[in-house]
Amino acid sequence: GESVGLHLPTLSVQEGDNSIINCAYSNSASDYFIWYKQESGKGPQFIIDIRSNMDKRQGQRVTVLLNKTVKHLSLQIAATQPGDSAVYFCAETSYNQGGKLIFGQGTELSVKP
Amino acid sequence: EADIYQTPRYLVIGTGKKITLECSQTMGHDKMYWYQQDPGMELHLIHYSYGVNSTEKGDLSSESTVSRIRTEHFPLTLESARPSHTSQYLCASSELGTQGNEQFFGPGTRLTVL
Repeated sequence: GESVGLHLPTLSVQEGDNSIINCAYSNSASDYFIWYKQESGKGPQFIIDIRSNMDKRQGQRVTVLLNKTVKHLSLQIAATQPGDSAVYFCAETSYNQGGKLIFGQGTELSVKP
Repeated sequence: EADIYQTPRYLVIGTGKKITLECSQTMGHDKMYWYQQDPGMELHLIHYSYGVNSTEKGDLSSESTVSRIRTEHFPLTLESARPSHTSQYLCASSELGTQGNEQFFGPGTRLTVL
């Protein structure tokens, strides 16, 4: 069935380093992807999104890359800070799914000072 | 910060009790969703609504029910809580008809059934 999964369940980085979180999706019809950040005890918070007609999108300190050929999505965080420590989820959907998001397993990012 | 609220934030109850988890949003969004999430795990959609008087079951089977009498309000009810219902419940909303579907999430309700 459809699935969205992450390669690594945990990622530990040094403060100031760049972080890369990966995600694989299996539904080739998906045309919209979102990265969410979830801190302990809180609901997911939108970070950045990308549509399937793009392969890269940049935000503040974050970049999302989309490779539709291999159905791979990544989130890059530049100059990782302790406040970036959280669980990160990718989610995918398509217009014909009526807005329902399919979430992958989260990756826990731990930033060491 | 999204204007979507959930109450209570934490709830500990005994088996067999009836409970209602509240969710309200002030953004005027037509679409609303309920997810169930175990610690560190992915979110599973259990209910959604595309507007008033519209409710649908999600991908994960749930013994809970929902109602959508007002646009801003999407409560979830468990008629008889059991320990297997222990989990975090997240409510979300999004606009209807937009090409993108960014969902705004509430802070969640952590439910423990003894």
